[in-house]
Amino acid sequence: GEDVEQSLFLSVREGDSSVINCTYTDSSSTYLYWYKQEPGAGLQLLTYIFSNMDMKQDQRLTVLLNKKDKHLSLRIADTQTGDSAIYFCAVYTGTASKLTFGTGTRLQVTL
Amino acid sequence: SQTIHQWPATLVQPVGSPLSLECTVEGTSNPNLYWYRQAAGRGLQLLFYSVGIGQISSEVPQNLSASRPQDRQFILSSKKLLLSDSGFYLCAWVDRTGFQETQYFGPGTRLLVL
Repeated sequence: GEDVEQSLFLSVREGDSSVINCTYTDSSSTYLYWYKQEPGAGLQLLTYIFSNMDMKQDQRLTVLLNKKDKHLSLRIADTQTGDSAIYFCAVYTGTASKLTFGTGTRLQVTL
Repeated sequence: SQTIHQWPATLVQPVGSPLSLECTVEGTSNPNLYWYRQAAGRGLQLLFYSVGIGQISSEVPQNLSASRPQDRQFILSSKKLLLSDSGFYLCAWVDRTGFQETQYFGPGTRLLVL
């Protein structure tokens, strides 16, 4: 089945850019998502990208997809303390009709 | 607009006691519904999903069960809780606009089994 990997932790300074990476294994994946989880809360959908796209930009968020390497990244420009959270990558595979989540990357923003 | 509710928000239960967590969705009909568990410091594990009333699929063998008595209600249950059942339980529903399969999550229930 699909395997989705993320690094566990990332620390950046306020005002810098953050880049959170994700790799997946199933080349037939169609939709790829980024979710944000603040402490004690559920998951909030941030953005998604369809597999026929290479890039998607939404205000401070930029999603890059490298289908050849099965690599997805989320860039947060001008990172703020309010961006501190766990970020989950999730990949939808039509053949299995299911959404597979990565283990999440904890983003810590320091002053 | 669609909203998803989970109840209760927090629960502390002794080992061996029963469990019932509720998830309800408003503003949509015939949604796909999901139960996930997030253990402390870990990712999400899919427990159950349902494509309709009375239709439940289990992803992993475990001490829990799920039921869908109404179109927009999804219940997670256990007859006897184990310590390992502690975690953060999230319900989600799918927006099937086009082929996006986008999942939207509820606020979660934090369960502590002592």
